[in-house]
Amino acid sequence: AQSVTQLDSHVSVSEGTPVLLRCNYSSSYSPSLFWYVQHPNKGLQLLLKYTSAATLVKGINGFEAEFKKSETSFHLTKPSAHMSDAAEYFCVVSESNDMRFGAGTRLTVKP
Amino acid sequence: EAGVVQSPRYKIIEKKQPVAFWCNPISGHNTLYWYLQNLGQGPELLIRYENEEAVDDSQLPKDRFSAERLKGVDSTLKIQPAELGDSAVYLCASSLEGGEGHYEQYFGPGTRLTVT
Repeated sequence: AQSVTQLDSHVSVSEGTPVLLRCNYSSSYSPSLFWYVQHPNKGLQLLLKYTSAATLVKGINGFEAEFKKSETSFHLTKPSAHMSDAAEYFCVVSESNDMRFGAGTRLTVKP
Repeated sequence: EAGVVQSPRYKIIEKKQPVAFWCNPISGHNTLYWYLQNLGQGPELLIRYENEEAVDDSQLPKDRFSAERLKGVDSTLKIQPAELGDSAVYLCASSLEGGEGHYEQYFGPGTRLTVT
């Protein structure tokens, strides 16, 4: 079965500096990969998705992720962090509509 | 477009009591999911419906959990009796199509259950 590992449980950055949230996946097939964000007391919101098209995927709010099959990675990046980016981020791998979530990475943004 | 609606948002019950959660998916979405999210963890699938059929309920603890999706629209998840370990957030999500498609899932705000 597919699985995903988020390498950092907590990432802290200063406002205006780059963000890197790391995700490795395991899948027997060609998976779909997603990043979701969860703000406190809010529902999960899709940031971006990879479904076997372009390997560099652009999402909302300036986030992007690159699918690297050789490294089985799908890291999330943003050039410049904003205070509103502080939230929990989940990497998700999907096979045949069966989605498996990572444990999450809490992003803290310092002023 | 209205999103996925869940109620109640919060529920506090004593152990051994029953509890029910309700979910109304986005109009036109035929696939509905119930997830369990423990504190500090990612959501875990409990059950997936395609229309009114439960196509994946392998992770649903059937001794105390039950779910239904009458008429293939809204759904109810029930726990009877509740245990202390059931304290968690219960998320509902919906998507356009199941099967081999890779369609985005839209999530509701969740119901936070506290069992005392």
